[in-house]
Amino acid sequence: AQTVTQSQPEMSVQEAETVTLSCTYDTSESDYYLFWYKQPPSRQMILVIRQEAYKQQNATENRFSVNFQKAAKSFSLKISDSQLGDAAMYFCAYNNNDMRFGAGTRLTVKP
Amino acid sequence: GAVVSQHPSRVICKSGTSVKIECRSLDFQATTMFWYRQFPKQSLMLMATSNEGSKATYEQGVEKDKFLINHASLTLSTLTVTSAHPEDSSFYICSARDRIGPRRVYGYTFGSGTRLTVV
Repeated sequence: AQTVTQSQPEMSVQEAETVTLSCTYDTSESDYYLFWYKQPPSRQMILVIRQEAYKQQNATENRFSVNFQKAAKSFSLKISDSQLGDAAMYFCAYNNNDMRFGAGTRLTVKP
Repeated sequence: GAVVSQHPSRVICKSGTSVKIECRSLDFQATTMFWYRQFPKQSLMLMATSNEGSKATYEQGVEKDKFLINHASLTLSTLTVTSAHPEDSSFYICSARDRIGPRRVYGYTFGSGTRLTVV
């Protein structure tokens, strides 16, 4: 079974600074997708960024980028120029036939 | 973009009664939908995978007789919590899968969730 591990229960960042959230996963598959989702207090799941495992190039979406290391099974999320609105729970997810989530990292942004 | 509507957003029911939660894909056809359960300050735990026109596939440890899933159309899946008990109180979230590109590229859209409280 695939497992997703987020080793940082909580992270804090100063507004305008950069923060990196860690994620590792375990799989025997070679073709899969990885996601980062944001869950604000409303609890609506919001897609932040997606990476296709067969693509070597790291995905980027504006201030959000990933460092995808397939051999190491690592998929970290970097948030640049952090904003107050970035404060939320962040979940890393592995997808093959279904989607499995890590335990989450609560990000606090300090003004 | 793709929208998934989940209703109700909140429900309170008495112990022993049944509650139905609906998940609708509004602007796309979802052959596959997923149901998750989320306890406070915890992650989303996959309960079952729902495929249109066939029986749902339940994760290990999830009681299929308690959590009835029906996916009768390409836009609607329902989760019925039967004979609910206080320990069933939780946040339930659905997700619909939509093919958005070639090579088995899918998009996953989540409903806004249902907070179930059993008293």
